[in-house]
Amino acid sequence: GQNIDQPTEMTATEGAIVQINCTYQTSGFNGLFWYQQHAGEAPTFLSYNVLDGLEEKGRFSSFLSRSKGYSYLLLKELQMKDSASYLCAVRDSTDSWGKLQFGAGTQVVVTP
Amino acid sequence: NAGVTQTPKFQVLKTGQSMTLQCAQDMNHEYMSWYRQDPGMGLRLIHYSVGAGITDQGEVPNGYNVSRSTTEDFPLRLLSAAPSQTSVYFCASSYGQGGTEAFFGQGTRLTVV
Repeated sequence: GQNIDQPTEMTATEGAIVQINCTYQTSGFNGLFWYQQHAGEAPTFLSYNVLDGLEEKGRFSSFLSRSKGYSYLLLKELQMKDSASYLCAVRDSTDSWGKLQFGAGTQVVVTP
Repeated sequence: NAGVTQTPKFQVLKTGQSMTLQCAQDMNHEYMSWYRQDPGMGLRLIHYSVGAGITDQGEVPNGYNVSRSTTEDFPLRLLSAAPSQTSVYFCASSYGQGGTEAFFGQGTRLTVV
């Protein structure tokens, strides 16, 4: 099984940078996903890491260290529309199809 | 593009009633799954399917049944609703193995009274 931990809530100012950390313990690892979920809406895919290092996609970047069981999502140049919950999810490799295990999510509040 | 379509969006049930949550995808995805989302607990896997005719249990399967007669459809049945099943339910699909992202439906907010 997996334990996935991420902070419950973070607050930041518009235009600033916020880093959301995710730590995990897993019996098998086959990739880590970050999803964004606005209130009352479905989660939408942001990023995927399977190898160590940084993946950059516009204002969002995601980092993975497999040896440390650690990832972070970096949100730069924050905008009001970035206020949402950010979900860290780990894919289990113990079966060929790799079920996703989700963390509880980090609520990011962007203030003017 | 329709993507993943869930119906209904809202539902209120009385304890003991049964119902089916519908999920359909038009992306020819092999892998489909059902999650429930409760405050402070994240998304938890109920059941999943790796293709037509193949289903398996996830983390919290009790009280739910699924079937997969076609690639497109993956309905979730509540056999006898209980207040503990009050939650938001999401259906998701993905192409298959490896690092393919999951696409989520818009969710069903279910209240059992």
